[in-house]
Amino acid sequence: EAQVTQNPRYLITVTGKKLTVTCSQNMNHEYMSWYRQDPGLGLRQIYYSMNVEVTDKGDVPEGYKVSRKEKRNFPLILESPSPNQTSLYFCASSPYDRDYGYTFGSGTRLTVV
Amino acid sequence: SQQGEEDPQALSIQEGENATMNCSYKTSINNLQWYRQNSGRGLVHLILIRSNEREKHSGRLRVTLDTSKKSSSLLITASRAADTASYFCATDAGSSNTGKLIFGQGTTLQVKP
Repeated sequence: EAQVTQNPRYLITVTGKKLTVTCSQNMNHEYMSWYRQDPGLGLRQIYYSMNVEVTDKGDVPEGYKVSRKEKRNFPLILESPSPNQTSLYFCASSPYDRDYGYTFGSGTRLTVV
Repeated sequence: SQQGEEDPQALSIQEGENATMNCSYKTSINNLQWYRQNSGRGLVHLILIRSNEREKHSGRLRVTLDTSKKSSSLLITASRAADTASYFCATDAGSSNTGKLIFGQGTTLQVKP
């Protein structure tokens, strides 16, 4: 089944403790992206990657890092999480062709206390 | 930045009725897409309409696009309780080559059995 897999689904952590949210896709998509979703603010792009070793900042990159060492994986790293990073996070992928929509993961609900 | 704005913010209808949601955007686009999100879950791609198309159908979905007015509408015919969800429009960011989708705030649809 074609899918984007995110882990974990839920995570509660403490301020300053480094964490990684994993994202993997099995569709050989070139493009991958991370979004966060917050009430009243909607979905905002954090980082994106157009292919292996090619990443760039989205609209809200502060406090996050990403890497794209393999085509299928695009982990999101929070080096020192803070409470304002409490949010619902989504990974998405798509072919580079713009006439295709995104395939989203099921989301990671992160709480930083 | 949020480009798309959906209207209405919330919609409640009876099963069997049609549901219409509207989306406005601000800049030029390559395509406009509609997504559905069930509570707290990942977004699911519904339909994509290119900037040179005016209308598109997929099952019970009908999407229109008016680039002169920078607006789109999503019509769900013969709605079902299972259509209860939030619906988002998203625009490809026009001339930029980032592949980024900009999402609106969404319309929450409730279909009563």
